Amino acid sequence: GAVVSQHPSRVICKSGTSVKIECRSLDFQATTMFWYRQFPKQSLMLMATSNEGSKATYEQGVEKDKFLINHASLTLSTLTVTSAHPEDSSFYICSAYRTPEGETQYFGPGTRLLVL
Amino acid sequence: QQQVKQSPQSLIVQKGGISIINCAYENTAFDYFPWYQQFPGKGPALLIAIRPDVSEKKEGRFTISFNKSAKQFSLHIMDSQPGDSATYFCAANYASTLTFGKGTMLLVSP
Repeated sequence: GAVVSQHPSRVICKSGTSVKIECRSLDFQATTMFWYRQFPKQSLMLMATSNEGSKATYEQGVEKDKFLINHASLTLSTLTVTSAHPEDSSFYICSAYRTPEGETQYFGPGTRLLVL
Repeated sequence: QQQVKQSPQSLIVQKGGISIINCAYENTAFDYFPWYQQFPGKGPALLIAIRPDVSEKKEGRFTISFNKSAKQFSLHIMDSQPGDSATYFCAANYASTLTFGKGTMLLVSP
């Protein structure tokens, strides 16, 4: 199978601080990774597409200066929530396509962010 | 249109029964249709998937039925078990981007 990990699994931070979430593909290379946000009892909302070695593509309405994405290697993408506020509290999930591009997105276990 | 409409929103099935979740789409460019299972506090896990040139795919107790002309597909869970209680999402892929349904919360009663 294809394993995607996320770190940390949960984080609590004070309002105004920045939080970095890591997404790693453990047993495959991923040219493309995705970041989703999920509110309780709701579906997954795509935030951005992360491409190795290039700038991320953000979905409409997602602030790229607030949600910084870096995809520096074929196995690691990071999402940094800058100057976090309580409304940023959510479940953040990453996913990855195995390279060469396959059809299936493999999801990480998610990161629960709580901003106080 | 990028929407994928999923129903029902919630479902209660007795142990041993059949759980059926339906999805419908508009965009005929979608080329891959996965179903994901998500437990509380966990990421979605791929359950089963189908391409539009296949009408049915079965893996163990899970079956996808696909009706290309009606632009509908469904997930059937045979012999449903309490351990199947989770939220199920259908999705449709186009240009490496997944569009998700709103999810179905399944409860299998013992």
